[in-house]
Amino acid sequence: GQNIDQPTEMTATEGAIVQINCTYQTSGFNGLFWYQQHAGEAPTFLSYNVLDGLEEKGRFSSFLSRSKGYSYLLLKELQMKDSASYLCAVMDSNYQLIWGAGTKLIIKP
Amino acid sequence: DAMVIQNPRYQVTQFGKPVTLSCSQTLNHNVMYWYQQKSSQAPKLLFHYYDKDFNNEADTPDNFQSRRPNTSFCFLDIRSPGLGDAAMYLCATSRDSGGAETQYFGPGTRLLVL
Repeated sequence: GQNIDQPTEMTATEGAIVQINCTYQTSGFNGLFWYQQHAGEAPTFLSYNVLDGLEEKGRFSSFLSRSKGYSYLLLKELQMKDSASYLCAVMDSNYQLIWGAGTKLIIKP
Repeated sequence: DAMVIQNPRYQVTQFGKPVTLSCSQTLNHNVMYWYQQKSSQAPKLLFHYYDKDFNNEADTPDNFQSRRPNTSFCFLDIRSPGLGDAAMYLCATSRDSGGAETQYFGPGTRLLVL
């Protein structure tokens, strides 16, 4: 079966750094996406990784290791508005997007 | 601004009463998707259209149907909503269906079944 694992919930402090991990087992791999979803709203695209390594985009960075079936999303200089769920999704060999259940990130002042 | 629009944002229906949710896009994307998302769960793909070609997920109940009359619009019809169908319904689009194609989501319609 296909599976995406991410922690259910994490808590961090405003101004700090947090790393959200994602591990996956899928039939084939055509890239990994990270989306941000605020409560009651639609997911918005954050990043896409298809090659190993780190992609940096402002305060957010995403890392991929295909051999380990592992990715993380790194958020720096956390702001209160970063409180949201972060969804990891992998595109499999059939170009189907397999979604994780999301990590709810709580930011405390 | 190019975008994905869903109407209504909130829909209340009665048990067994047919309901239609709508989605439109100004991105001129080829692919349109309907997802169901329940609280604290991953979005679940119900079906998608590549242009006019309809692709139904194997585990999507027959109670759910879809129509795409043109490139811009796509509808989700729930023929006889049950209490278990209460969820957020997300419409998404992508330019194509390849590996690097990002899906862009509408704001969602939250369905309540009484």
